[in-house]
Order: sequence, then structure tokens, then C-alpha cells
Amino acid sequence: DGGITQSPKYLFRKEGQNVTLSCEQNLNHDAMYWYRQDPGQGLRLIYYSQIVNDFQKGDIAEGYSVSREKKESFPLTVTSAQKNPTAFYLCASSLRRDRAKNIQYFGAGTRLSVL
Amino acid sequence: GQSLEQPSEVTAVEGAIVQINCTYQTSGFYGLSWYQQHDGGAPTFLSYNALDGLEETGRFSSFLSRSDSYGYLLLQELQMKDSASYFCAVTTDSWGKLQFGAGTQVVVTP
Repeated sequence: DGGITQSPKYLFRKEGQNVTLSCEQNLNHDAMYWYRQDPGQGLRLIYYSQIVNDFQKGDIAEGYSVSREKKESFPLTVTSAQKNPTAFYLCASSLRRDRAKNIQYFGAGTRLSVL
Repeated sequence: GQSLEQPSEVTAVEGAIVQINCTYQTSGFYGLSWYQQHDGGAPTFLSYNALDGLEETGRFSSFLSRSDSYGYLLLQELQMKDSASYFCAVTTDSWGKLQFGAGTQVVVTP
């Protein structure tokens, strides 16, 4: 089955620690995205990548880092510089064929909490 | 800045019709999308409008008026499984970058 897999489902971070959230897709999509969702709020874009070895900052990139070494994978690192990391993190991917329509397919999310 | 406004919550009974409005103010506009998200789940794509008018997909329809910077999602013949959050999202650049609204929680009662 094609889809987007995020792991782990739940993650706990200790103060001063960096943690990495995994996102893998087998849809052969070019573009991948990371969003943060806080309770009762919409999705805010952290980083996005249109092609391998290239990525751009979204609206709330501070305290986060990403890499895109393979088409299938777009891991997100939440660094110790992110002082309020508790949130639901969603990864998405899309074809670039129709950029304006840009249907995004989402993973099941990772819920990050601070210990 | 960019803003998308939609009501925070709507409650309706099974079988009813619900309209969720979305007004937007963004630096660029290429189209308006709607996504559904059940509690704790992944958002899923529902519909997309690039041109003015109504798009119908089964029980769901979406409307866009670019001159009014306004759109809506219409849910007909409401079912219990339609209880979820619904997000409008504007495509703001030619690369397909999406700006999401805060979401409308739809509560369907028996």
C-alpha cells in the first residue's frame, strides 16, 4: 500500500535534547512538507522540500532542521533551541504536476511532549 | 500578513446541511482547498477551487468567489461520521505552498 509513514507515534523530549521525527513516503512524490499543529489551531508550515537536496523554510522554522537526501525521506529534527516543542507534527507529500492544486497527502502524525 | 477566517465550531443534526465559510487575505492566491481531519488523525483532501463557482463531489460541495476573497464548504445529508474538523487552505504561490485556516469543528448530533 502506498502512503506516508511517520514514526514514532509518540515522542518525549528531555530539556536540552534534540529529537528526530521520521517521515517516509512510497508515493513517488517530489514535494514533502512538515507542519506543526497546536490544539484548536490550524497547520503551520515548518519546512518544505520540492526536490532532493533542496528545502526551504516555512513560517515557523526557528528551532527546527531538516534534510532531504533521498526522495522518499524527509526527517525533521526538533532542536533544543525550540523552547515550546509540545505539539502534533504532521508530514505531507504531493506531486508537483499540478502545483496550484497541490493535493497534499498526510501521515498519521507524531505527538511530541516535553518531559 | 496572511489570514484565513473560518468559524470555530458548528453543530447540526444528522441529515441536516451545514455551510462552513472561509474568508481569506493572502499575499498570493492560486486556489482554495478544503481538508477534513478527524480527532487525532491525518488531514485528508476534500475539494479544490481555482475558479469562481461551485464544485460538487458527492455530499460535499465547495464554492469560491475570488472577487470577494470568500469560499465555503457545504456538507449535505450530514452523517455522524462527518463529525470532524474542516480546514480551508489557500495555495499562495506557484510552488503550491498552502496557508491553512484555524479549522471549524463540526459536531453532528443524533
